[in-house]
Amino acid sequence: QVQLQESGPGLVKPSETLSLTCTVSGGSVSSGIHYWSWIRQPPGKGLEWIGYIYYSGSTKYNPSLKSRATISEDTSKNQFSLNLSSVTAADTAVYYCARLTGYFHYDYWGQGNLVTVSS
Amino acid sequence: QSALTQPASVSGSPGQSITISCTGTSSDVGGFDYVSWYQQHPGKAPKLIIYDVSNRPSGVSNRFSGSKSGNTASLTISGLQAEDEADYYCTSYTSSDTLVFGTGTKVTVL
Repeated sequence: QVQLQESGPGLVKPSETLSLTCTVSGGSVSSGIHYWSWIRQPPGKGLEWIGYIYYSGSTKYNPSLKSRATISEDTSKNQFSLNLSSVTAADTAVYYCARLTGYFHYDYWGQGNLVTVSS
Repeated sequence: QSALTQPASVSGSPGQSITISCTGTSSDVGGFDYVSWYQQHPGKAPKLIIYDVSNRPSGVSNRFSGSKSGNTASLTISGLQAEDEADYYCTSYTSSDTLVFGTGTKVTVL
């Protein structure tokens, strides 16, 4: 059974960089079959796609994030990470990591990690 | 990229059928059969209930069904039950090799 677990600080100051890590068990981030993705959900609002990474480290991002997002992977630890720079209060959200299949649907999700941007 | 358009809320009585629409463009919903639907209960992670427009993952009730016509995909819940009360989101692959979510629909069981 595949499991994903987000980890990272719950509070980040404005203008700093938000950093989250997703640890994968029961599957491999280097399998070349799946994509590994980040999604966020501001409190009381809908889901927003952030981006994904797939084998060889190739990435795609939501254009609305204006190049602030960076997704990377650490195959030795079977993890992938999100860095979001220059955060503001609008980046306050529950951040989910999820596995994206080759047919572009999310079959496994982490439980979510609430990140609050505040001084 | 713009979010796919869903009705903000849909309601129905137990046993009834309801349908949630998800409208995009020819660059996303209309251009690919990679539309999926997710159910989200409060405080929980979303759960996949439909993929590739109309396929159900193992373990998902057959009361959930999906379809697509042109740029609009639809999720139908038949035999509505109290446990179906949740938020529902569609998502689609896009011609830019990205994903886009719908605006979300709150389903209320009366």
